[in-house]
Amino acid sequence: NAGVTQTPKFRVLKTGQSMTLLCAQDMNHEYMYWYRQDPGMGLRLIHYSVGEGTTAKGEVPDGYNVSRLKKQNFLLGLESAAPSQTSVYFCASSYEWGDRYEQYFGPGTRLTVT
Amino acid sequence: DAKTTQPNSMESNEEEPVHLPCNHSTISGTDYIHWYRQLPSQGPEYVIHGLTSNVNNRMASLAIAEDRKSSTLILHRATLRDAAVYYCILRVANNAGNMLTFGGGTRLMVKP
Repeated sequence: NAGVTQTPKFRVLKTGQSMTLLCAQDMNHEYMYWYRQDPGMGLRLIHYSVGEGTTAKGEVPDGYNVSRLKKQNFLLGLESAAPSQTSVYFCASSYEWGDRYEQYFGPGTRLTVT
Repeated sequence: DAKTTQPNSMESNEEEPVHLPCNHSTISGTDYIHWYRQLPSQGPEYVIHGLTSNVNNRMASLAIAEDRKSSTLILHRATLRDAAVYYCILRVANNAGNMLTFGGGTRLMVKP
């Protein structure tokens, strides 16, 4: 049981390049999330999904797109990277069962845009 | 969204109890109080959550004020491994997406 995994762990992009971050979870969770964390700050929600085939915007969605074609995967795309997107990106998944609720986070992807 | 207020940082001695406060004066009746922590260079991890009653688990205890306008995360015996940023978060039950809104958190430093 690997939990939440993220690929890649590190990436350096030039301004204008594109890339896709992959998040995978093996816990059969319905909900999945993408956050970004800038130095010294808390996490901010970019996009989320409440189930396979669904996506929705979070707090800071501009410049990003997402897809959830399979329940276990949640992809985050940057079509034209900008230096302001330099950050650490965290993926999370969650379940809700009665009063129980918990988000499980991946180890993060450190992205630098030059 | 209802907001939380936490001190920016706190210090503790190893093997002593730690009380991390959180104010949430605009909490509504259906908001759950969640605590997560983030160890250096890692993603956040769940610590504990509650609605009205105090809660205990293997990691910590959560004490919730009677009027629910504040809560305290209690680490009974701090270890060096507990040095992390602790986030107090309110979650609206059954909101679309079950989202969590992270604030700045409290950076806990543990001295040997």
